[in-house]
Amino acid sequence: GAVVSQHPSRVICKSGTSVKIECRSLDFQATTMFWYRQFPKQSLMLMATSNEGSKATYEQGVEKDKFLINHASLTLSTLTVTSAHPEDSSFYICSARPPLGWGNQPQHFGDGTRLSIL
Amino acid sequence: GNSVTQMEGPVTLSEEAFLTINCTYTATGYPSLFWYVQYPGEGLQLLLKATKADDKGSNKGFEATYRKETTSFHLEKGSVQVSDSAVYFCALEKPNTGNQFYFGTGTSLTVIP
Repeated sequence: GAVVSQHPSRVICKSGTSVKIECRSLDFQATTMFWYRQFPKQSLMLMATSNEGSKATYEQGVEKDKFLINHASLTLSTLTVTSAHPEDSSFYICSARPPLGWGNQPQHFGDGTRLSIL
Repeated sequence: GNSVTQMEGPVTLSEEAFLTINCTYTATGYPSLFWYVQYPGEGLQLLLKATKADDKGSNKGFEATYRKETTSFHLEKGSVQVSDSAVYFCALEKPNTGNQFYFGTGTSLTVIP
């Protein structure tokens, strides 16, 4: 079954709305989670590294005031796209890094969220 | 910098055909290399990995060898099945960064009976 749950899987909303995407680690406590964005026919681009109990680390060119990340617990990180506009429409994927020695995968990925801004 | 260049798709093959998906990388230091697979309607799953030069990762009949001299990590399978239809992503893990990944664009594979 899924190790990382991402919700919602799809959201359509009007321009100017703020949208929250949740990423939950179901089987382990994740001190570190990652948020990616994928444009059509392009790579998954790392947006930010979410650290439990501290501020997220954003990649160059990602607006931290636009993409708010909160990692308030060891099993939940949220990405809020504030005042979303059509250019924010994309596929957003989260991942969680398991503790050392837990399984053989460096990250476990959610199923992604398709965000469409009208 | 770090980047991954992956063969563009889509790729359509008949069942039992040989598969190669090319992947080359640019990296500082010595990254680990991965192939991830995304089946329709599902999330990314690790298919195989290699952590150092000349390592061969293998899983479910798929193989890829870490070639430092050609900075490549091509994915191969000798005989594909319909169930292999998916999108395949090549990725590298930036060394000593706590798992920062760089992904290729993904290659869509469709296997027809």
